[in-house]
Amino acid sequence: IAGITQAPTSQILAAGRRMTLRCTQDMRHNAMYWYRQDLGLGLRLIHYSNTAGTTGKGEVPDGYSVSRANTDDFPLTLASAVPSQTSVYFCASSSGTGQFFGPGTRLTVL
Amino acid sequence: GQQVMQIPQYQHVQEGEDFTTYCNSSTTLSNIQWYKQRPGGHPVFLIQLVKSGEVKKQKRLTFQFGEAKKNSSLHITATQTTDVGTYFCAGPVSGGSNYKLTFGKGTLLTVNP
Repeated sequence: IAGITQAPTSQILAAGRRMTLRCTQDMRHNAMYWYRQDLGLGLRLIHYSNTAGTTGKGEVPDGYSVSRANTDDFPLTLASAVPSQTSVYFCASSSGTGQFFGPGTRLTVL
Repeated sequence: GQQVMQIPQYQHVQEGEDFTTYCNSSTTLSNIQWYKQRPGGHPVFLIQLVKSGEVKKQKRLTFQFGEAKKNSSLHITATQTTDVGTYFCAGPVSGGSNYKLTFGKGTLLTVNP
């Protein structure tokens, strides 16, 4: 792994289903983030983690949960997906200067 | 809450023309960061400015941080088609750790060859 990876690349999901988006980084960055990007709304922070074992809510946390069991992994879970969660999701990590983004997951909820 | 605003939303230029995007924060920032996102890609960190009045250059890109640390600009000299993309500024969330950022909505630059 080089940098930060996300899986899956894209997903079509039926409303009401549970879904976990995966994010892994190998840069040993303490901080990790989940954003959603929607046309006209820019990047909005969903949840973040300043260090392994801690998480915090961002601007739009409702309907999402995260965990940070170790430094490398930061999964994002949609417990019961709704169409308004259709978006492109980016994971990012940081050691303090700049954030480094993964390639993104395009999620469609029908 | 804290807002970071960017203008213009869109800019279309002929190749070779200059381009500038402006970023304004509702609060004083400890630093300002700039990112570029190519169409279909992910945001890529370009630079961080920390000092009041700071100016940094990366080849044809010039970044400035205002004296009051509430505004910033990115200027591209003689645009090329490789400059196409959305440019975002971002600043640390007020009262939060420096790790959390508020992003502007970005300026989409298109370049006509």
